[in-house]
Amino acid sequence: KQEVTQIPAALSVPEGENLVLNCSFTDSAIYNLQWFRQDPGKGLTSLLLIQSSQREQTSGRLNASLDKSSGRSTLYIAASQPGDSATYLCAVIKPSGDMRFGAGTRLTVKP
Amino acid sequence: DVKVTQSSRYLVKRTGEKVFLECVQDMDHENMFWYRQDPGLGLRLIYFSYDVKMKEKGDIPEGYSVSREKKERFSLILESASTNQTSMYLCASRIPFSGSYNSPLHFGNGTRLTVT
Repeated sequence: KQEVTQIPAALSVPEGENLVLNCSFTDSAIYNLQWFRQDPGKGLTSLLLIQSSQREQTSGRLNASLDKSSGRSTLYIAASQPGDSATYLCAVIKPSGDMRFGAGTRLTVKP
Repeated sequence: DVKVTQSSRYLVKRTGEKVFLECVQDMDHENMFWYRQDPGLGLRLIYFSYDVKMKEKGDIPEGYSVSREKKERFSLILESASTNQTSMYLCASRIPFSGSYNSPLHFGNGTRLTVT
């Protein structure tokens, strides 16, 4: 069964710091990986989707990488801001089309 | 931008009531999904639908049913609400899975259901 793990569960950093969030998965036979952001009490907002043929995706200050052979993805946030405070979730898409989510990393960026 | 709208942000229901959670998307997506999210358990798939009038059980379908009579609307039904169904319910939609290339999954804002 595909397991998706996100470490750390919580992270607190001062404003302006660059940071990396980690996502690991047990079965490397995945097609895609998607990163989401969730604000308290809200739904999930899609940040980046890495296709099977890609190794990374960038959007503004966000960069996500995917290494299927090692079962890992990272989300890099440059020059963090208080508005980046949220929970970040990764999800892997299996060949069946099924999606499996990690439990998330709760990020706090202090002014 | 894709918009997935869940009809209620907060609901409070009594044990034994029949509860309907509604979800509408405006991008003609074939695939729609219902998840519940609980602290420490993450997101768990309840039911999904590949297209109109189609439905498939997810990981935790017990106590739930769904209806997809129109492409844009996917309803989750709690036949007889129980306290262990108190949770955040999230609806999502996307273009059908196509193998190695896929479109993103888009979520609604969620419905926080409390069963007393």
